[in-house]
Amino acid sequence: GENVEQHPSTLSVQEGDSAVIKCTYSDSASNYFPWYKQELGKRPQLIIDIRSNVGEKKDQRIAVTLNKTAKHFSLHITETQPEDSAVYFCAASTQHPDMRFGAGTRLTVKP
Amino acid sequence: GAGVSQTPSNKVTEKGKYVELRCDPISGHTALYWYRQSLGQGPEFLIYFQGTGAADDSGLPNDRFFAVRPEGSVSTLKIQRTERGDSAVYLCASSSNPGLNEQFFGPGTRLTVL
Repeated sequence: GENVEQHPSTLSVQEGDSAVIKCTYSDSASNYFPWYKQELGKRPQLIIDIRSNVGEKKDQRIAVTLNKTAKHFSLHITETQPEDSAVYFCAASTQHPDMRFGAGTRLTVKP
Repeated sequence: GAGVSQTPSNKVTEKGKYVELRCDPISGHTALYWYRQSLGQGPEFLIYFQGTGAADDSGLPNDRFFAVRPEGSVSTLKIQRTERGDSAVYLCASSSNPGLNEQFFGPGTRLTVL
């Protein structure tokens, strides 16, 4: 089955700097890659997703890149703000819709 | 509109007891998913329903876990003979179309087995 690895497990940046979180997946059939943000005690919320027919997608300060050959995808947050502090999860799924999540990255943005 | 809701928000039970966790998906969403999230981990897939049927239950850890969705809307996750290792947050999600569409998560039920 699909296996998703996520790095780093914790990330601390200064406000205004960029943050990058990387994930790798094992199943070459995976074709949908969402990123979720989870604040303490809250539900995971989708912040951006990418499908396998696209290499990059951007939404304001957030971008995701996908390298299908290498089977990895990354989340990029620019101009980080303290409210970006949360745990971020990547995930991968195929047409078979059980989504596999990474272990999460705890991002701390220091003011 | 209303999002995914789950009840109860917290459940404390004793080892060996039976528990039921309820999920109300977004109205009209045909796909429903259950996940389990342990502290410091990502959600772990348990079971997926398309309509009333369990299309994939490969994530259920053992036969103490069972889930139903009799009318294709509300779902109940049932855990028999609970063990301390079952303690986790149980998340439900729904989507309008399985596979390539966003899954909307509920707030979760925090289960504590003493």
